[in-house]
Amino acid sequence: LAKTTQPISMDSYEGQEVNITCSHNNIATNDYITWYQQFPSQGPRFIIQGYKTKVTNEVASLFIPADRKSSTLSLPRVSLSDTAVYYCLVGRIEGGADGLTFGKGTHLIIQP
Amino acid sequence: DAGVTQSPTHLIKTRGQQVTLRCSPKSGHDTVSWYQQALGQGPQFIFQYYEEEERQRGNFPDRFSGHQFPNYSSELNVNALLLGDSALYLCASSLGGIQNSPLHFGNGTRLTVT
Repeated sequence: LAKTTQPISMDSYEGQEVNITCSHNNIATNDYITWYQQFPSQGPRFIIQGYKTKVTNEVASLFIPADRKSSTLSLPRVSLSDTAVYYCLVGRIEGGADGLTFGKGTHLIIQP
Repeated sequence: DAGVTQSPTHLIKTRGQQVTLRCSPKSGHDTVSWYQQALGQGPQFIFQYYEEEERQRGNFPDRFSGHQFPNYSSELNVNALLLGDSALYLCASSLGGIQNSPLHFGNGTRLTVT
């Protein structure tokens, strides 16, 4: 079971780049890394997913080092609306519940 | 393209009663997962349904049961409600045949047990 460890909370300011790191020391060969964002009273929203190196989409980048024991979600030029809880999940949806297991997440607070 | 829809949005029940929550997956999705989220906590995985069968189950008692219909919609049933069952219940859909298909969540049903 590839458990994850994230900071409980982080603060930043509008316009800054924010990096949230997730540790997953027991990640398996076939495991993917997936990040979700959740606002209060809403369901989590998929942000980005990766297996190795770097993945980028229109909202974020995901950096995964060669050993894959950690990953970093990078949010460029954050705004107040990026205040939310961010979850890192590791696992394979096919064949196990690992990739369906959420931890406590990182509460990101963006200030003006 | 309709996303994941859940009903009802809010529900109040009395301890000992039974409740049924409903979920319609995103168009084109065939797999439904259910989660319980207590206030201030991350979502806790209850179970996942694929091809009308329970495929994965989290650490929840048998009071929690589910069903998936041929049109891929799903129900979550909770019997003998406890005060501790008060939570936001989330449904997520995905594609069962694609490894690590991302989860698409509804906005949940807020259950209050008094």
